[in-house]
Amino acid sequence: AQTVTQSQPEMSVQEAETVTLSCTYDTSESDYYLFWYKQPPSRQMILVIRQEAYKQQNATENRFSVNFQKAAKSFSLKISDSQLGDAAMYFCAYRSAIGTYKYIFGTGTRLKVLA
Amino acid sequence: GAGVSQSPRYKVAKRGQDVALRCDPISGHVSLFWYQQALGQGPEFLTYFQNEAQLDKSGLPSDRFFAERPEGSVSTLKIQRTQQEDSAVYLCASSVLERGMNTEAFFGQGTRLTVV
Repeated sequence: AQTVTQSQPEMSVQEAETVTLSCTYDTSESDYYLFWYKQPPSRQMILVIRQEAYKQQNATENRFSVNFQKAAKSFSLKISDSQLGDAAMYFCAYRSAIGTYKYIFGTGTRLKVLA
Repeated sequence: GAGVSQSPRYKVAKRGQDVALRCDPISGHVSLFWYQQALGQGPEFLTYFQNEAQLDKSGLPSDRFFAERPEGSVSTLKIQRTQQEDSAVYLCASSVLERGMNTEAFFGQGTRLTVV
């Protein structure tokens, strides 16, 4: 069975600085997808960035980028130029490329942005 | 609709009461998922529908939990004889199927269930 581990329950970053959130996962599959979701107090999960396992190039979305290390089964999220609106829970998620495509989530990292 | 809509946003139930949680997915989205998110945890998969067919219910914690999507659009998650451990946020998500693959899932704001 696949598992996702986020070892940082909480992180803090100064506004305009850069922060990296860690995520490791375990799977025996070769084809899968990885995601970072943001969950603000409104509870709605918002997709931040996604990575296809077959792509070697790290995904980037504006201030958000990932460091995907397939052999190490590591998928970290880097947030550059942090903004107050980035404060939220961040969840790393795994999704198989076959089957029902359910997401397997980590336990989350609470990001605080300090003004 | 513009997004995934869930109702009610909050529900307080007395232990032993039955509850029904509603999910209105994005129009045209074939796939629909239910997740349970306990306090301080990540969401955990409950069940998956493709149109009206429930293809995976492996995450339902007990036979007190039942989900349906009779016409392939709106879905209802029913919990019978609620217990305190059922207290959680219940999230619904929907996605499109393209060439047999589920695309990105869009989530609703969830229903926070508190069993007292």
